[in-house]
Amino acid sequence: GENVEQHPSTLSVQEGDSAVIKCTYSDSASNYFPWYKQELGKRPQLIIDIRSNVGEKKDQRIAVTLNKTAKHFSLHITETQPEDSAVYFCAASGGGSNYKLTFGKGTLLTVNP
Amino acid sequence: DAGVIQSPRHEVTEMGQEVTLRCKPISGHNSLFWYRQTMMRGLELLIYFNNNVPIDDSGMPEDRFSAKMPNASFSTLKIQPSEPRDSAVYFCASSWETGDTEAFFGQGTRLTVV
Repeated sequence: GENVEQHPSTLSVQEGDSAVIKCTYSDSASNYFPWYKQELGKRPQLIIDIRSNVGEKKDQRIAVTLNKTAKHFSLHITETQPEDSAVYFCAASGGGSNYKLTFGKGTLLTVNP
Repeated sequence: DAGVIQSPRHEVTEMGQEVTLRCKPISGHNSLFWYRQTMMRGLELLIYFNNNVPIDDSGMPEDRFSAKMPNASFSTLKIQPSEPRDSAVYFCASSWETGDTEAFFGQGTRLTVV
């Protein structure tokens, strides 16, 4: 089955700096890669996703890149703000008969004012 | 739509007792997922249903766990008997399709087994 590795597990940045979180996946047939943000005590919520037919997607301060050959994808947050502090999860799914949405272990991002 | 609705929000039970968690997916969604979240293991997929049929339950930890989806608007996750190591937050999520569209999560049930 699919295995998703996520790094780093914790990330601390100064307000205004950029943050990058990286994930790798194992199933070359996976074709959907969402990113979820989970604030303390709340549910995970989708912030951006990318499908395998594109290499990059942007939404304001957030961007995701995908390298299918290397089987890795990354989340980039620019001009970080304190409200970006949360746990971020990457996930992969859609490969062949495996439709599971498999999550990485998460990255605790702290943005220091 | 009110989103995915889970109940109860919090559950405290004694070891050995039966626990039933409930989920109402978003109307029209045909895929439903049960996840367990702990600090050590992150978000683990326990089981998922497509059109009310269990597709993959390989994540269910052991026979003490069972899940049902009797109709498109309701699912249960049951633990019998419960053990302290079952303490976690259990999330239900639903989506339009399986695997390549956004999964919407419920608010979760925080289970504590003492």
